[in-house]
Amino acid sequence: GESVGLHLPTLSVQEGDNSIINCAYSNSASDYFIWYKQESGKGPQFIIDIRSNMDKRQGQRVTVLLNKTVKHLSLQIAATQPGDSAVYFCAENNSGNQGGKLIFGQGTELSVKP
Amino acid sequence: NAGVTQTPKFRILKIGQSMTLQCTQDMNHNYMYWYRQDPGMGLKLIYYSVGAGITDKGEVPNGYNVSRSTTEDFPLRLELAAPSQTSVYFCASRQGVAKNIQYFGAGTRLSVL
Repeated sequence: GESVGLHLPTLSVQEGDNSIINCAYSNSASDYFIWYKQESGKGPQFIIDIRSNMDKRQGQRVTVLLNKTVKHLSLQIAATQPGDSAVYFCAENNSGNQGGKLIFGQGTELSVKP
Repeated sequence: NAGVTQTPKFRILKIGQSMTLQCTQDMNHNYMYWYRQDPGMGLKLIYYSVGAGITDKGEVPNGYNVSRSTTEDFPLRLELAAPSQTSVYFCASRQGVAKNIQYFGAGTRLSVL
């Protein structure tokens, strides 16, 4: 029979508010992490990355926080805009693995209300 | 400024048909990847390649084949399409080992009926 897709976790925020999207990663050996944004009908787009020797990294309107103790990653978006509406994925990588394979999380859907 | 280009964008197949999803990149990247994305899910790796002539299986390779005869092209072949292969397929590439930022194409939406 036809498979039924899972419902993505959803975060709904008001335009201008800050957004925080969370991600729990699985492999304690992972040493590199990336956040991707995927708009409807498009491929994932790189937002920001962080190595495991850092706790925080800032970009333009985005900040990634890494807590290795609890294997948790978060993406903070400041002054969220309607154009930020998308699905956000975290991905982890162990630089020791062959081929640089990324492991993707399920994703969180961000909805921005005007 | 093409980046990673995938064709076709949409395709409907009948069960048992075969097809090739095309992927080409103009960034001279050594590493290329094929993923599938099912509704409400993250991306799962089908196959990857670390350079021309070298390919390897990912997490979900069954029912697919790949080849990498040139640096630019990394086609994905479905030999006997099944309904379970209904999905959106993404191709990605990355340059080298320093950072694993993968750049994605726009995807191919495939339905097998």
